[in-house]
This record gives sequence, structure tokens and C-alpha cells, in this order.
Amino acid sequence: QLQLQESGPGLVKPSETLSLTCTVSGGSISSSSYYWGWIRQPPGKGLEWIGSIYYSGSTYYNPSLKSRVTISVDTSKNQFSLKLSSVTAADTAVYYCARDHTVTNFDYWGQGTLVTVSS
Amino acid sequence: DIQMTQSPSSVSASVGDRVTITCRASQGISSWLAWYQQKPGKAPKLLIYAASSLQSGVPSRFSGSGSGTDFTLTISSLQPEDFATYYCQQANSFPLVTFGPGTKVDIK
Repeated sequence: QLQLQESGPGLVKPSETLSLTCTVSGGSISSSSYYWGWIRQPPGKGLEWIGSIYYSGSTYYNPSLKSRVTISVDTSKNQFSLKLSSVTAADTAVYYCARDHTVTNFDYWGQGTLVTVSS
Repeated sequence: DIQMTQSPSSVSASVGDRVTITCRASQGISSWLAWYQQKPGKAPKLLIYAASSLQSGVPSRFSGSGSGTDFTLTISSLQPEDFATYYCQQANSFPLVTFGPGTKVDIK
């Protein structure tokens, strides 16, 4: 059974960089059929797609966040990572990683991790 | 950008009721629509993809229909475990994915 697990700091200071890693188990991140994505959800609000990456390193980003987002992949560790720079309180959210069917839908999700931006 | 709207924003229903949720796209998205269920404190769960295809393991009381701009998610007989928030998601404007604002289904 495929499992995804987010990890990273739960508290980030304003203007700093948020960094999260998603570890995939029970399957290979190098599968040719899938992308791997990040989605976030501010407390009490809806879902926002951040971006997705293919195992080759090809990436797609939400244009509204593109200038601040970097998603990378480490196939040797079966992990992919998110970096979001220059964070503000508006970036406070639960961050999910998920398996992505070629940027069409997300069928396996991590449990999510709350990241709070505060000094 | 393609905007997604959902109606109603919330619905109160009883066990056994038939519940229909509507999702509308600001422009045609063919059948590039998915539906998710989210319970409090949990990750979303994929229910329907390609507008009407049932994800493996999802009960058959869930069904999806529509194409173009108007879509529906129907729960044929609401069960206690179905009380949750439901989101639609479009994937026509590759690679930009956008979600609807959600519809909360709660107990009448």
C-alpha cells in the first residue's frame, strides 16, 4: 500500500523559507505513470495546488506561487521536497503531499503537516 | 484562469437521503473533473475522476456526471460516514489545477 509522509518544521518565521519533505513508501517515486504534488489548505479554508514534479525533475507550478516555489526530487531516497521562500502569515496552512496522475487528480495523500508562519 | 464554484455551500441531510452537489466551471473543462471527500483533520480522499469514473474502493452510492461546465456529485443514500466536506477539482487548464470552495454535508 502506497504511503506518503510529510516532514519538516512546524513553525517558520516571516520572510524565511518553508522547507518540507515527502517520503514515499510502498512504491517507487520513479514510476513513469505519476507526478508527485504539493497541495495546501489554510485553516478553515479550501485547497490550493502548489505544484507537481515528475521523477525526471520536470516541474509544474501554480502561477500564483511560482516566483517563490521550488519542488525537487531525490529518487535515491524516494522523496520529493518543497521550498517556499519569503513566507508570510498567509502561508500558514496544512501542507499535503500527494501522488498526482499527470496533474489531473490526486489519489494518494499524506496525512498533512501544519506549518505556522509566525515570529 | 478557470474558476470553480460549488452549490450549495452547505447542506443538511439525514441518513438515507439522496444528496446532490453541483460544481460549475467558468469555462469548459471537458471531463477533466475530480471529486474529493474530506473529513475534519484528515486528508482529502479521491472519490471520482474524469467526471464520472469511480475511484477504486469507493462505494457505489457515489456517482459523478457532467461535462463541459456543469457537473454533479450524487450520494444515492447518505450514510453516517458520508458527513464531510466535498471538493471538486478541475484539471483542464494543464498544468494549473484548481479546486472548488467546498460543500459541507452535515446532519439534519
